[in-house]
Amino acid sequence: AQSVAQPEDQVNVAEGNPLTVKCTYSVSGNPYLFWYVQYPNRGLQFLLKYITGDNLVKGSYGFEAEFNKSQTSFHLKKPSALVSDSALYFCAVRERSSASKIIFGSGTRLSIRP
Amino acid sequence: DVKVTQSSRYLVKRTGEKVFLECVQDMDHENMFWYRQDPGLGLRLIYFSYDVKMKEKGDIPEGYSVSREKKERFSLILESASTNQTSMYLCASSGTGLNSPLHFGNGTRLTVT
Repeated sequence: AQSVAQPEDQVNVAEGNPLTVKCTYSVSGNPYLFWYVQYPNRGLQFLLKYITGDNLVKGSYGFEAEFNKSQTSFHLKKPSALVSDSALYFCAVRERSSASKIIFGSGTRLSIRP
Repeated sequence: DVKVTQSSRYLVKRTGEKVFLECVQDMDHENMFWYRQDPGLGLRLIYFSYDVKMKEKGDIPEGYSVSREKKERFSLILESASTNQTSMYLCASSGTGLNSPLHFGNGTRLTVT
C-alpha cells in the first residue's frame, strides 16, 4: 500500500541548533514531494517541493529538504532553528498519475526551546 | 497571494442536523479538496473536485456529499451529522499542474454533540 511515514511524533531542538524532521515514503513511480507547516488554529502552509533535479531543495523561512531516491526519503532541515519554527510539519507525496492522490504523513510536532 | 476562505472557524451542531461547510478560493484554481484532520491520522481526503460540477470520492466519503456549482466555491455537506464527524475540516485548492502545491484555508473545527 502507498504510504508516507513520519517516524517521530515530536522533535525537540534548542534554538540555534540544526533541525531535521524525517519523512520516508512508499509510493510507486517518481512522485512529487512536498512539505507543509501548520501553526496553531491555522491551515497548512506550503514550505517547499521536490520535482526533479537537484536533491537539495530550498524553501520558505530558511528551510530546505534533501531528497534521497535510494532511501525514498525527503527529510526537512534547517541549519539554525528559531523558536518561531515551533509548529506541526507534514510531509506529502503526490502521484504523477493523479491530481487527487496526495498522501500526507501523520505529522511531526517541532518544538524549539529558547 | 492565494486566499482560501472557510466560512466558519468553529461550529457546534447537534446529532442528526444537516451541516454545510463553505469554502471559497480567489485564484481561479480548477482543483479543490476537502480534508479531515484528526490527531495522529494526518489528513484524509473526503472529496476532490477538478471542475465545476465534477467530483471524485476520496478515502472517507461516507456520510458526506459536496457541491461545486461555481468554480470558486466548494461546499461540504454532512447529510446527518454524527458525533464521529467531530473533527477539523480543511479546504484546499490547487492549479492543474500536478506539482502545484495545495493552498489551504484556516479550517473549520466542527463539534457534533
